[in-house]
Amino acid sequence: NAGVTQTPKFQVLKTGQSMTLQCAQDMNHNSMYWYRQDPGMGLRLIYYSASEGTTDKGEVPNGYNVSRLNKREFSLRLESAAPSQTSVYFCASKPGTGNNEQFFGPGTRLTVL
Amino acid sequence: GDSVTQMEGPVTLSEEAFLTINCTYTATGYPSLFWYVQYPGEGLQLLLKATKADDKGSNKGFEATYRKETTSFHLEKGSVQVSDSAVYFCALRDDKIIFGKGTRLHILP
Repeated sequence: NAGVTQTPKFQVLKTGQSMTLQCAQDMNHNSMYWYRQDPGMGLRLIYYSASEGTTDKGEVPNGYNVSRLNKREFSLRLESAAPSQTSVYFCASKPGTGNNEQFFGPGTRLTVL
Repeated sequence: GDSVTQMEGPVTLSEEAFLTINCTYTATGYPSLFWYVQYPGEGLQLLLKATKADDKGSNKGFEATYRKETTSFHLEKGSVQVSDSAVYFCALRDDKIIFGKGTRLHILP
């Protein structure tokens, strides 16, 4: 039982390049989330998926797209990376609706030059 | 809208000191409240939670009491250790958790 896994752990991009951050969970959770963490800003929700086949915007969705490929996987895509997207990205999952704990992945540190 | 405000850091204490990290919230209804901890280089993990007023969450010597009258959920520990050095996040709600900005805690040996 690996929990929530994220790939890659580190990535450096040039402005305008695209990439996809991968996230997978093996806990059979319904809900999955993408956050970004910036110094002094805490965690901000980018997108979330309450269940397989659904996605919704969070607080800071601009410049990102997501795909809930199946129940296990939830990917985050940057179509044209910008320096403002330099951040640490965390994926999380939760069993479903209600006041359940969220489980976090180890994070992806992205630098856009 | 809903929000969480927690004390700014960094907080620096000596080992065995008493710790308080303040957290207050604004929300409709009666949300669940959480404290998450992030150790260096890792993701967040749940430290403790409380689901209704006057509940006390506790874990690893940390405690926090859900105070509806003061809309607060302050984190306390009687005697901190070097291993408690981390960033602590107060949070509320369930489906879309709202996080505070985090408080970095340094414990000196």
